[in-house]
Amino acid sequence: DAGITQSPRHKVTETGTPVTLRCHQTENHRYMYWYRQDPGHGLRLIHYSYGVKDTDKGEVSDGYSVSRSKTEDFLLTLESATSSQTSVYFCAISGQPQETQYFGPGTRLLVL
Amino acid sequence: DQQVKQNSPSLSVQEGRISILNCDYTNSMFDYFLWYKKYPAEGPTFLISISSIKDKNEDGRFTVFLNKSAKHLSLHIVPSQPGDSAVYFCAAGGSYSGAGSYQLTFGKGTKLSVIP
Repeated sequence: DAGITQSPRHKVTETGTPVTLRCHQTENHRYMYWYRQDPGHGLRLIHYSYGVKDTDKGEVSDGYSVSRSKTEDFLLTLESATSSQTSVYFCAISGQPQETQYFGPGTRLLVL
Repeated sequence: DQQVKQNSPSLSVQEGRISILNCDYTNSMFDYFLWYKKYPAEGPTFLISISSIKDKNEDGRFTVFLNKSAKHLSLHIVPSQPGDSAVYFCAAGGSYSGAGSYQLTFGKGTKLSVIP
């Protein structure tokens, strides 16, 4: 299994509070991704990173920001959490071949 | 607009029989296809992939077939085992962003139940 961890694994927060999720990898892979999974939607890309300090938006980026200051860490921040951001969040990484992504265990977030 | 469709939300199969999971796509630029398996409370696990230059790829009990003219791929599991019970996601990719990142588009998943 690819060395990917996510923290926290579970979080309950209130509407309007900031939340940061962390993805940590030990594979030294260049590409990292944040997805959310919701019933009836499959996996949708939020943001991705193609190197340290290099990030770009995905399909559902509104309300989210990311940062990558080290190769091994990719942070996802909800600036002001809303109930619509209640979801399961997955981090993924890819190296060579780039086409295959490997996923972390997920973070279950509940926004009340 | 859904570019990758898994039209069957669920599938039940008897242990030992063949499981066939289907996936359709609309974007003719897709050139690489993957299947992932997901157990509850875990992350998706890569299962098998196929490039558009092939029409079949096999790995043990798992075989993926690609029909480019029909824009259709399928995953065959033979024989099916109770441990195969999971949600299966089809994914497709075919474009690199300006930064060189390869994007995948996922279907909504099919829940497979293998009955002992």
